[in-house]
Amino acid sequence: GAGVSQSPRYKVAKRGQDVALRCDPISGHVSLFWYQQALGQGPEFLTYFQNEAQLDKSGLPSDRFFAERPEGSVSTLKIQRTQQEDSAVYLCASSLNPARTGGNTIYFGEGSWLTVV
Amino acid sequence: DAKTTQPNSMESNEEEPVHLPCNHSTISGTDYIHWYRQLPSQGPEYVIHGLTSNVNNRMASLAIAEDRKSSTLILHRATLRDAAVYYCILINYGGSQGNLIFGKGTKLSVKP
Repeated sequence: GAGVSQSPRYKVAKRGQDVALRCDPISGHVSLFWYQQALGQGPEFLTYFQNEAQLDKSGLPSDRFFAERPEGSVSTLKIQRTQQEDSAVYLCASSLNPARTGGNTIYFGEGSWLTVV
Repeated sequence: DAKTTQPNSMESNEEEPVHLPCNHSTISGTDYIHWYRQLPSQGPEYVIHGLTSNVNNRMASLAIAEDRKSSTLILHRATLRDAAVYYCILINYGGSQGNLIFGKGTKLSVKP
């Protein structure tokens, strides 16, 4: 497809389990973002990649969260030892230009819905 | 990035225009005004953005006050599909990393 693709769409994990969420950005997009959205809240920034470089990881809530984009295209968000407060929608987004380009348009995927039980 | 203030919710009737306000009294001269919306169970989608002048595209119009301390997103004829949360976001590309910082937005309901 032409848009940002995320998988799995839905994931139920037992507390303490590790999960991996995949993002396929739009082809050729330089920038890739991960956001976390709790129920009833706006999305919150987690981390940003420009190509393969992780330039900002200030939003990752703990060292249990890890993201990578080794070849500058597909990205994986990994959550180790999941806890109930990790239950949220994880949104991936990409843009053609570097994030600090004026008027940069960001395109979002539909999200991966994680429920930790 | 400067803060924005939006009403929590608004209602509209189908096929009528909708004016969604956003206040940003601390906006700086280099802050861009972006609007995104999020339909139920979807990721956010870009609507429109502007810097100083009013902007039009196929989805909406953006009216920016002369002093830039407020702006209004205009949907010319609301449809049921326009029911969503609308986010007004300021980005200072020179002073920030350029990522979107979402507030709570305005939840728009459209009545048939």
